[in-house]
Amino acid sequence: EVQLVESGGGLVQPGRSLRLSCTASGFTFGDYAMSWVRQAPGKGLEWVSFIGNKASGGTTEYAASVKGRISISRDDSKSIAYLQINSLKTEDTAVYYCTRGLGALDYWGQGTLVTVSS
Amino acid sequence: DIQMTQSPSSLSASVGDRVTITCRASQSISRYLHWYQQKPGKAPKLLIYAASSLESGVPSRFSGSGSETDFTLTISSLQREDFATYYCQQSYDSPITFGQGTRLEIK
Repeated sequence: EVQLVESGGGLVQPGRSLRLSCTASGFTFGDYAMSWVRQAPGKGLEWVSFIGNKASGGTTEYAASVKGRISISRDDSKSIAYLQINSLKTEDTAVYYCTRGLGALDYWGQGTLVTVSS
Repeated sequence: DIQMTQSPSSLSASVGDRVTITCRASQSISRYLHWYQQKPGKAPKLLIYAASSLESGVPSRFSGSGSETDFTLTISSLQREDFATYYCQQSYDSPITFGQGTRLEIK
């Protein structure tokens, strides 16, 4: 069974940093691109970033709204994807979902809530 | 960026109704269009990929159609568990973009 489990969210002050983790199981992690999608409270879905699989050279892309403040990475030996968010802003408050793929996102984690507030 | 516009934004319907949600792209996206269902407090779930392919395990009352700029999601006979918010998403070009969502409520 495919599972994606996010962790690392919490309450953080503006300007601080946070690293989210997504631990995968039930599939060959290294064969798949991974994406992060966020959802602000009461709002819609916003794609944040993706990282390609090793075969694609691990290509990364970022949404314009977070570019320069976010870094995505992966450790295929541990089946974990990471999202580093720096210089956090109040508008980064959202549930952050880890998803599999970069076209149709066929599996999603349960999400981890990041709240940016002083 | 490719803009995705869903209509309606909200919809009231009854169990057994046939419901159609539309999604329009700001430019041609071929068939790189996917539909998701999200229930309150839960992660989105993939229903339809590549405009019309039913994801494994999704009931056959869900169907998708369209190409280029205009797409539809149809639920042939609404069940109580279908009341949720639905999103379309394009993957034709980066950045991936979603529609604003359609909230389907019980009449």
